[in-house]
Amino acid sequence: AQTVTQSQPEMSVQEAETVTLSCTYDTSESDYYLFWYKQPPSRQMILVIRQEAYKQQNATENRFSVNFQKAAKSFSLKISDSQLGDAAMYFCAYRSAFASGTYKYIFGTGTRLKVLA
Amino acid sequence: DTGVSQDPRHKITKRGQNVTFRCDPISEHNRLYWYRQTLGQGPEFLTYFQNEAQLEKSRLLSDRFSAERPKGSFSTLEIQRTEQGDSAMYLCASSLGPENWNTEAFFGQGTRLTVV
Repeated sequence: AQTVTQSQPEMSVQEAETVTLSCTYDTSESDYYLFWYKQPPSRQMILVIRQEAYKQQNATENRFSVNFQKAAKSFSLKISDSQLGDAAMYFCAYRSAFASGTYKYIFGTGTRLKVLA
Repeated sequence: DTGVSQDPRHKITKRGQNVTFRCDPISEHNRLYWYRQTLGQGPEFLTYFQNEAQLEKSRLLSDRFSAERPKGSFSTLEIQRTEQGDSAMYLCASSLGPENWNTEAFFGQGTRLTVV
């Protein structure tokens, strides 16, 4: 069974600085998708960034980028030029890509990001 | 279409009562998921549908929980004989599939259940 681990329950970053959130996962599958979701207080979860395991190039979305290390099963999120609106819970998630596999999303326990003014 | 909609947003019930939650997915999405989230934790998978077929159900899910998705549109999640341990946020999500394999799940705002 696949598992997702986020070892940082809470992180803080100064406004305009850069922060990296860690995520590791365990799977025996060779093809899968990885996601970072953001959950602001009392608001719904929204996708931040997505990575396909077969792509070696790290995904980037504006100020958000990932460091995907397939062999190490590591998928960290870097937030550059942090803004107050980035404060939220961040969840790392895994989903199988196989047609015969389960399509459920498996989430980590989350990292609470605080942005200091 | 404004996204995934869940109703009610909040529900307070007495222990032993039955509750039912509704989820309206994004209209063209054929996959629908239910998750449970407790404070400070990540979403825990409960079940998911592809169209009207319930394809997977968590082994952790008690027999008191049942979900339906008639006609492959909206879905309901019913909890019978509620217990205090059922208090949580219940999240619904939808996605395209199976041909759109890399699509993300879109989440609703959740239904917060409090069992007293």
